[in-house]
Order: sequence, then C-alpha cells, then structure tokens
Amino acid sequence: DGGITQSPKYLFRKEGQNVTLSCEQNLNHDAMYWYRQDPGQGLRLIYYSQIVNDFQKGDIAEGYSVSREKKESFPLTVTSAQKNPTAFYLCASTPATNEKLFFGSGTQLSVL
Amino acid sequence: GESVGLHLPTLSVQEGDNSIINCAYSNSASDYFIWYKQESGKGPQFIIDIRSNMDKRQGQRVTVLLNKTVKHLSLQIAATQPGDSAVYLCAENRNTGFQKLVFGTGTRLLVSP
Repeated sequence: DGGITQSPKYLFRKEGQNVTLSCEQNLNHDAMYWYRQDPGQGLRLIYYSQIVNDFQKGDIAEGYSVSREKKESFPLTVTSAQKNPTAFYLCASTPATNEKLFFGSGTQLSVL
Repeated sequence: GESVGLHLPTLSVQEGDNSIINCAYSNSASDYFIWYKQESGKGPQFIIDIRSNMDKRQGQRVTVLLNKTVKHLSLQIAATQPGDSAVYLCAENRNTGFQKLVFGTGTRLLVSP
C-alpha cells in the first residue's frame, strides 16, 4: 500500500528531553510537511521540505528541528526548547505545487 | 490577521438531510482550495478540491462551491450519513510560489440516525 506512515501513534516526553517523531512515505513525493494541531485550532505549519537536503521554517518552527536526508523520510525532533509540546502532530506530502496534501495518521505527543 | 474560518461551529443534521458547511477565506490571491474530513485521532482525508478558475466542482455526494467575490467556500454533502460525522477542514493555497496551505479550524458535523 502506498501512503504516509507516522510513528509512534502516542509519545510521552519528560521535561528537558528531546523526542523524535518519524514520518516515512512511499509515494515518491518530493515535498513533505509537518503540521501541529491543537484542540479547536487549525493546522499550523512547523517545517516543510521541497526536496532532499533542503527544508524551510514554517510559521511555528521555534523549538523544533527536522532533517531530510532521504526522499522518503522527514523526521521531526521536538526539542526541550519547545515549552508547550503537547499537541497532535501531522506529517504530509504532495507530489507538486497546487496539489492536495496526503496526510499520515498523526502522533499525539504529551508531556509527563 | 490572516485566517481561514477561525471558529469551530457545529452542524447537527438528521441522516438523509443535505449538509452545507461554510468557510470564509481571507486572501484574494489564493488560487487553490481543498476540503478535508478529519475523524477524531486521525489524519485529515482529502474530500474534494477546486481551483480559482472554477465556481463549482462535484464529486460523489459532495459539491464544492467557490465565490471569489465574497471569498467564500462551501461544501455540500448530499444524503448525509452517520459515517459523515467528523470535523471538516477547509484549506487555501496562498500562492506564494510554493505550496503553503493555510487551514481553518474546521466545522464539526454531527449526523443523527
């Protein structure tokens, strides 16, 4: 099956800890994205990548980092600098500009 | 500030009714619009999209209408079913040279049997 796989489904972070959320796609899409969703709010863009080895900050990049070493993979690290990390994180990809985004099933991150 | 559908209203309908979900967008330069369905704890699923050179587009049981004059987007669902219960998200592409979708908060649709 082609699609986007996010893992884990649930993740807990201790104070001062960095955690990494995985996102893998086998759709052969060039562009990948990370969004954050808080209850009652729209999706907010954290980072995006148009191509391998290139990525750009979105609207709320502070406290997050990404890498794009492979076309298929776009992991997101939530660093200890992110003071309010509890949210639902969504990874997405698209084959081209002005095409729909395909989303993964999300990771719920909570703070212990 | 820039926004797409700030509020999260709830629309309650009976099974078999037609549903209309509305979305206001703020950027007149946006050229591509998408509706997604999101069930609790899951990622958004694509429903239908429309480009700015169109006013209407139909899919299976769904129709999207675009009114560029008043910057309004709507999703019509025919013969609504309990399985349609979800949050519906509208998104606009701000046409900044790279795909950058801006999402609204969504509308919750509750369908009673």
